Amino acid sequence: TQLLEQSPQFLSIQEGENLTVYCNSSSVFSSLQWYRQEPGEGPVLLVTVVTGGEVKKLKRLTFQFGDARKDSSLHITAAQPGDTGLYLCAGARYGGATNKLIFGTGTLLAVQP
Amino acid sequence: GAGVSQTPSNKVTEKGKYVELRCDPISGHTALYWYRQSLGQGPEFLIYFQGTGAADDSGLPNDRFFAVRPEGSVSTLKIQRTERGDSAVYLCASSTGLANTGELFFGEGSRLTVL
Repeated sequence: TQLLEQSPQFLSIQEGENLTVYCNSSSVFSSLQWYRQEPGEGPVLLVTVVTGGEVKKLKRLTFQFGDARKDSSLHITAAQPGDTGLYLCAGARYGGATNKLIFGTGTLLAVQP
Repeated sequence: GAGVSQTPSNKVTEKGKYVELRCDPISGHTALYWYRQSLGQGPEFLIYFQGTGAADDSGLPNDRFFAVRPEGSVSTLKIQRTERGDSAVYLCASSTGLANTGELFFGEGSRLTVL
């Protein structure tokens, strides 16, 4: 069962456009991470958000953690072809000895030149 | 290299065969994770090791799947009596395990195809 639902599932846009990817859950997470994955490679961490309402910026990427720590968004400004890839949110829920990271369903982004 | 290494990168086997997938984590990383990923989907959690012990194996789909990490470094994911539905990319990741918000470093994955 996938606890984190991402939308849209697939997005094809032109270079220079803006976009937002959403990551939603009914569960509360202690922290949330965003990863980007290119074909044939493993996911690579972009950012970690910990506090409800937190906003982090990474160049043209803006990440927000919901106030209730159940959802998050990723906004890309002026997308470039190099932004193409699979974007994954991942939530951490802490309890006992476990420290596992649960990944979202993924958003496949294609930026056309 | 300094990253997470997975072997083999590709494995084609026949239904019913036994398969082993190996993961060599970043040196010094105490936490090790196995995930399974289908094309265009998010990775599905399988098992998480802290040191030599499996801290959480709740994601293993059934008793055909087993993983070990006997010396707290290299891990092997073992799949018995493979089925066509086991076909996927198996990803391994490691982290320092020191912080709950720690970054996971992934290998490139082992692509398993069961014919």
